[in-house]
This record gives sequence, structure tokens and C-alpha cells, in this order.
Amino acid sequence: QKEVEQDPGPLSVPEGAIVSLNCTYSNSAFQYFMWYRQYSRKGPELLMYTYSSGNKEDGRFTAQVDKSSKYISLFIRDSQPSDSATYLCAMSGPNQGGKLIFGQGTELSVKP
Amino acid sequence: ETGVTQSPTHLIKTRGQQVTLRCSSQSGHNTVSWYQQALGQGPQFIFQYYREEENGRGNFPPRFSGLQFPNYSSELNVNALELDDSALYLCASSHRRETNYGYTFGSGTRLTVV
Repeated sequence: QKEVEQDPGPLSVPEGAIVSLNCTYSNSAFQYFMWYRQYSRKGPELLMYTYSSGNKEDGRFTAQVDKSSKYISLFIRDSQPSDSATYLCAMSGPNQGGKLIFGQGTELSVKP
Repeated sequence: ETGVTQSPTHLIKTRGQQVTLRCSSQSGHNTVSWYQQALGQGPQFIFQYYREEENGRGNFPPRFSGLQFPNYSSELNVNALELDDSALYLCASSHRRETNYGYTFGSGTRLTVV
């Protein structure tokens, strides 16, 4: 079993839809939870990070962490074609030496 | 100059050969991490360099090695290439080691082993 599981998709939605992306994990020591966006032929770009449990909002993006369920989510409101990319969840914690543990990535396509 | 730059962007090697990939860290960053991203997968941690020394290593064999230079740039060397080494190799820099989220990634080097 992988430490971090993420539905690879692909996920296709119409413009303006609300998108929900999710990851589950098994290591209860994880404390930092991140979402990266990766466009084709580019490196990952940090979208949001959250420490421990709770919600965090940034514009059209909302990240949620439920440590009791070992489940994290990213919501995208009013999705745009420019949001089409692969979304990667990543996690880290103490004694990880700065290592990020990534999910497989979910490929999202937003159709005009 | 801002951002992380990697070279080359693409290369093709034959099984058994050796390859060196290069990374220039973002200005002000002193730590470099390398990741391997196979097609359709998330990045996997190879190792991290801080102050020219290896600071942590993932589950990769010794034929994967690295260097960090006094200007914080870095190299990833892979010996005895195997077909499964075909992947996107990403370099990420940060302003301190063991940061949990403060990484800037480069666009990667696409390595194909034939």
C-alpha cells in the first residue's frame, strides 16, 4: 500500500463547475499537506499548503485536511480552462528530512 | 536570475550508459532536492543536498549519486542506466533544509533510456 493514494482520473468537467480532488494517506505523522499544480512539460507549482487539520481558502481554491480520517481535499470553484493540469497532493512531517511524499496526481480537464 | 533552471531539457541515452543532469537553484536558496517522476506517477524523492553534503536519501540504489557546488547548484549522476530510469527528473530548491513546503521546482529533464 502506498503512503499516499490519489485517484489518477482523468477528470473532465465543464467550465464553471466545482471540482473536488482528494487524497488519502496512511502515515499519521504527516503534518504538512500541500497541493501542487503541474502543467504539461513543466515542474510542479505550489498552490496551497496547510499545517495540521482545518481549512484554508485562497481565491477560487479551498484546501481541507481531516487528520482523523487521513483525508485531504482541494476544491476549485468556478473552474476555468486554464485550470486544466495535473494536480498533485504532497505531504511531509517531522523526521522526514524535508522529503515530500506525493500522490499519483489527478489529471483535470476543464472544457469551455 | 529567479527560478530553478535545469539542463538539458531532454536527452536520450542507451542502456548501460551514464548521464549527468544539472540544476541551478533559485537565488537565495541553499538546499537542492532531486525527484524522479515516471510517466503518470507523482514525483519520488531521490536525495537532498545541503552545504555540499547529502542530507537525506530516498529508496534509490547507489548508482544514483549527486553533487552540490559552493554556488548551491547541483548535479544528479546516474550510472549503468536501465530502461526503468526513463522519467522526468525534477530539481527543487529551498532556502533551508528540511522545509516542508518552501520548494521551487524546475521544469525538469526528460530522460529516455533505449
